[in-house]
Amino acid sequence: EDQVTQSPEALRLQEGESSSLNCSYTVSGLRGLFWYRQDPGKGPEFLFTLYSAGEEKEKERLKATLTKKESFLHITAPKPEDSATYLCAVRENTDKLIFGTGTRLQVFP
Amino acid sequence: EAQVTQNPRYLITVTGKKLTVTCSQNMNHEYMSWYRQDPGLGLRQIYYSMNVEVTDKGDVPEGYKVSRKEKRNFPLILESPSPNQTSLYFCASSYGTSSYEQYFGPGTRLTVT
Repeated sequence: EDQVTQSPEALRLQEGESSSLNCSYTVSGLRGLFWYRQDPGKGPEFLFTLYSAGEEKEKERLKATLTKKESFLHITAPKPEDSATYLCAVRENTDKLIFGTGTRLQVFP
Repeated sequence: EAQVTQNPRYLITVTGKKLTVTCSQNMNHEYMSWYRQDPGLGLRQIYYSMNVEVTDKGDVPEGYKVSRKEKRNFPLILESPSPNQTSLYFCASSYGTSSYEQYFGPGTRLTVT
């Protein structure tokens, strides 16, 4: 069965303390892996798309990487405004999107 | 402003009373989709549409209907809502006929009593 698992469920960081979020997946034919940010009470906001192992994308303090079985979202020197839930999703052969349950990140000043 | 709009934002209804949640996008996107979000279960895809008159089931389509008569609109219909359909619903759209970078609406919180 196709599956997307994110870890940890929740992460508390001090401002400036770098860390990584993990997204592992098992799908039949990956056609794209997506990272989204979701603030409380709002719809998810697109961050990155990765298509093949070895690919990396960066945006400000965020960097997403992809291997054959997992993706990492690295957060360098986070700030309180980076606090949000980060969602990972994979697109499989049938065009469905399968989301993980997210990592809730809190960054304290 | 490029956006996806949903109405209503909040809805409380009773079991069995048909309802429609509207979704509209102004970006000329071909791909549109509906999701529900529940604690501990994450976002789950209900239905998606790759173009006008083309719709397909996602992971949790039971109890829902959709239609795509115009490119910009993708309403979600609950013919006979039940309490297990109480959830937060999101509509999303994207360029092309595939689920690439998706733009999400603000969400509709539905309570069925």
